[in-house]
Amino acid sequence: AQSVSQHNHHVILSEAASLELGCNYSYGGTVNLFWYVQYPGQHLQLLLKYFSGDPLVKGIKGFEAEFIKSKFSFNLRKPSVQWSDTAEYFCAVRADTGGFKTIFGAGTRLFVKA
Amino acid sequence: DTGVSQDPRHKITKRGQNVTFRCDPISEHNRLYWYRQTLGQGPEFLTYFQNEAQLEKSRLLSDRFSAERPKGSFSTLEIQRTEQGDSAMYLCASSPTGGAHGYTFGSGTRLTVV
Repeated sequence: AQSVSQHNHHVILSEAASLELGCNYSYGGTVNLFWYVQYPGQHLQLLLKYFSGDPLVKGIKGFEAEFIKSKFSFNLRKPSVQWSDTAEYFCAVRADTGGFKTIFGAGTRLFVKA
Repeated sequence: DTGVSQDPRHKITKRGQNVTFRCDPISEHNRLYWYRQTLGQGPEFLTYFQNEAQLEKSRLLSDRFSAERPKGSFSTLEIQRTEQGDSAMYLCASSPTGGAHGYTFGSGTRLTVV
């Protein structure tokens, strides 16, 4: 069965610091990969996705993620965080034999100090 | 706003009672998913529909849980004989068929079993 592991449960950064959130998945076949974000008091929303092609994908609000197949990783990055990036971030994977369900990691809570 | 709607937003019930939640997906979306999320965890897959057909159910979904999507439009999730362990946020999401799509989530129904 597929699983998703997020390395950090809580991250605290100052504004303008660089961000990298780790995500690893377990599945040897073809995968679709996602990052979702949940801002305080809001519902989950899609930040970016990888389906095929360029392994470096760009999402909304200056976020990007890189798919490294050999490492089963899909880390999320942002060069300079803002206070408004304070949120919970979820990595997710959908496997080609997993039907259409998506498996989520446990999430990483990011707090950005102003 | 034509997002995913869930009703009610909050439900408090006594142990042993039955509860039913409703989800209205984005009208053009054929696929509908139910997830459950508890504190400190990512969303856990429960079940999903393509149109009116329920295509997969998680082993998390005991016999007390049932979901329907009559006519392929809105969906209901019923929990019979609720237990304290059922307390969680129940999330609904929808997506189009085909192509490279993530989910659009609703705001969720928070269930508290006392």
